[in-house]
Amino acid sequence: QQQVKQSPQSLIVQKGGISIINCAYENTAFDYFPWYQQFPGKGPALLIAIRPDVSEKKEGRFTISFNKSAKQFSLHIMDSQPGDSATYFCAASSYSSASKIIFGSGTRLSIRP
Amino acid sequence: DTEVTQTPKHLVMGMTNKKSLKCEQHMGHRAMYWYKQKAKKPPELMFVYSYEKLSINESVPSRFSPECPNSSLLNLHLHALQPEDSALYLCASSQRLAGAQETQYFGPGTRLLVL
Repeated sequence: QQQVKQSPQSLIVQKGGISIINCAYENTAFDYFPWYQQFPGKGPALLIAIRPDVSEKKEGRFTISFNKSAKQFSLHIMDSQPGDSATYFCAASSYSSASKIIFGSGTRLSIRP
Repeated sequence: DTEVTQTPKHLVMGMTNKKSLKCEQHMGHRAMYWYKQKAKKPPELMFVYSYEKLSINESVPSRFSPECPNSSLLNLHLHALQPEDSALYLCASSQRLAGAQETQYFGPGTRLLVL
C-alpha cells in the first residue's frame, strides 16, 4: 500500500513532442506528490509538486494532472527538448509518515533531436 | 542558495577500510537525510536527522554510522563495507521533516565503489 507505481520504464519522444509519464498510488493518506528530475551524475532535483486538492498544476512546459478518485497522477512535458532527457521520479508523502518520500521506480526519458 | 554539497565526489575503498562521507548545507534546514541509490533505481532512504537528532534509521546495517555534528553538517562513517554497498550516496535537506510537504534538496552524491 506504500508503493507508487510508475510507467513507462523508458520513453523516447521526438523533439517538440509531448512526453507523458504516469503514476498510481494506493495509500489515500498521501497528501503531497512531487516529481523529481535527475540527470546522470547528479542528485534528484524537485521539478514540480501538487497537492490532492488541485486537479492540475502547470509550471512552464511542465504540467501535473491529478485524479484523486482514480488515485493517479501524471507529468506532461510539452514541446519536449533534448535538454529534458533525464530520469524522472514521481513520489508521494504524507504528513503522518514524517520524513518518508515514497519514490516511483523512475522513467528514463530520451528526447530525439 | 539552495545548495547541498557532498564530498568526496568519488570514493574507492577496500572491505577493511574506514572512510567518511561529508554533507553540508547552509540553508538553515533542520532536517537532513542520507539516501542510497543503485543504478537505474530510485533513492532509498537510510537515515533521517531532525534538529541534529537521529529520527529514522531504516534498518541500515551497523557498518554505516551516521553523525550530525551540527545543524549544517551530516557525516556518514563507513567501515567494513561489502561490494554490494557500492552505490551513489545522496544527502538531502529540508526545512523540516519531508512529510510536512517540505521540499527536499539533494546534493550531487558520492559515488562509492567497494572492492
